[in-house]
Amino acid sequence: RKEVEQDPGPFNVPEGATVAFNCTYSNSASQSFFWYRQDCRKEPKLLMSVYSSGNEDGRFTAQLNRASQYISLLIRDSKLSDSATYLCVVNPLTGGGNKLTFGTGTQLKVEL
Amino acid sequence: NAGVTQTPKFRVLKTGQSMTLLCAQDMNHEYMYWYRQDPGMGLRLIHYSVGEGTTAKGEVPDGYNVSRLKKQNFLLGLESAAPSQTSVYFCASSVHRDRVASDQPQHFGDGTRLSIL
Repeated sequence: RKEVEQDPGPFNVPEGATVAFNCTYSNSASQSFFWYRQDCRKEPKLLMSVYSSGNEDGRFTAQLNRASQYISLLIRDSKLSDSATYLCVVNPLTGGGNKLTFGTGTQLKVEL
Repeated sequence: NAGVTQTPKFRVLKTGQSMTLLCAQDMNHEYMYWYRQDPGMGLRLIHYSVGEGTTAKGEVPDGYNVSRLKKQNFLLGLESAAPSQTSVYFCASSVHRDRVASDQPQHFGDGTRLSIL
C-alpha cells in the first residue's frame, strides 16, 4: 500500500461546479497534513494546511478524518484558473528531518 | 522576495558528465531538501539536510551527492550522469527554529529540468 494515495483523475468539471478530492494515508501516527497545488511544469506550491477541526480558505475547504485516515479538499465555484494538479501531502513524523510524503496528485481540469 | 532559488533552470548533459545543481534560500530555514519528479512517480526525496554541515539520504540517493557548507545553500551533485537521471529536480526548504517543525510546510524552488543523453 502506498503511504499516500490519491485518485489521479483527471476530474473534468464545468466552471462554477463544486469538486471534491480525497486522499488516504497509511501511517496512523502522521501529524501534519497539507494540500499543495502544482501547475504544469511548475513547482508545487502550498495551497493550505489541513487542521483536525477542518479549515476553510475562501472557496477551498479541507477536512481531516483521523479515524479513517483520509483527507479531503473541496473546491466550490470552480474557476478556469483552478486547473492544476493537487497534491496530498503528509508528515508521517518518521526518521526526523521533517520529511513530507507526497501523493502523486489529482489532476483537475475546469472547462467553460 | 526570492524565497528558494535554483540554478540552472535547464541543462543537457552527456552520459558520464558531472554537474552541480545549486539551491539557495533566503528565509533562514534550517532544513533543505532535494527531490526529483518523474511522470507518474510523484516527488521522491534524494537527500536532505537538517542544518549546516549535515546531510542525510532520502528515498533515492544513489548516484547523487550533496553538501551544505552554508545554511542558505544546498548543492546537489551528479557524479557520473546517467540517462535514468533525466528528470525535473526541485529543491525545498522549511523550518524556522522557533516554530514547531512538524507543522511547517516546505517551500519549493521553480525546478531544474535536466536531460541526460
